[in-house]
Amino acid sequence: NAGVTQTPKFRILKIGQSMTLQCTQDMNHNYMYWYRQDPGMGLKLIYYSVGAGITDKGEVPNGYNVSRSTTEDFPLRLELAAPSQTSVYFCASTNRGDTTGELFFGEGSRLTVL
Amino acid sequence: DQQVKQNSPSLSVQEGRISILNCDYTNSMFDYFLWYKKYPAEGPTFLISISSIKDKNEDGRFTVFLNKSAKHLSLHIVPSQPGDSAVYFCAATSRDSARQLTFGSGTQLTVLP
Repeated sequence: NAGVTQTPKFRILKIGQSMTLQCTQDMNHNYMYWYRQDPGMGLKLIYYSVGAGITDKGEVPNGYNVSRSTTEDFPLRLELAAPSQTSVYFCASTNRGDTTGELFFGEGSRLTVL
Repeated sequence: DQQVKQNSPSLSVQEGRISILNCDYTNSMFDYFLWYKKYPAEGPTFLISISSIKDKNEDGRFTVFLNKSAKHLSLHIVPSQPGDSAVYFCAATSRDSARQLTFGSGTQLTVLP
């Protein structure tokens, strides 16, 4: 019963390095999201996808890219890491038409940029 | 501009008493509201939700109240238990969005034994 799986759980990057946060879900959900949570703040939406091949920007997309080649996977790419991207990143998914609006979250990926 | 606000960063209550967590919103387009609970080093988990066509929804010890005219909702936990100690996030969404959730900044609830 995996649900939403994120890797890695922890990562330290140097300024200017690149990396990809992986997210996969096994619930056949068509909507997927990436959020970041900074200390003492709520979750802010980075990017989302309503289905394979379709992505759109959220509230804080600068410095990130995403792709959605399959229903299951929604990787988040950081091209030139900056200290401002130090945060905890959460991937989430849900189904269109789900009347509860409930999102299922992964356990998070803690990223530190030094 | 925070569209969803939780003005109390923390709340402490005694075990067995009522916990009341508050949330205010500014966007009139929001028509669905949710509460999530988050333990350290885990992702948020869904707790309870309410549609804008209702003013109350109950699920066991948890009740959410919605006052649309005041743009205010609250989560009541009765009775509170030590296992309820967590960060609680209020979130809102609208029918015309891609189920995007806008989150408040969270309230750390501590239930004292």
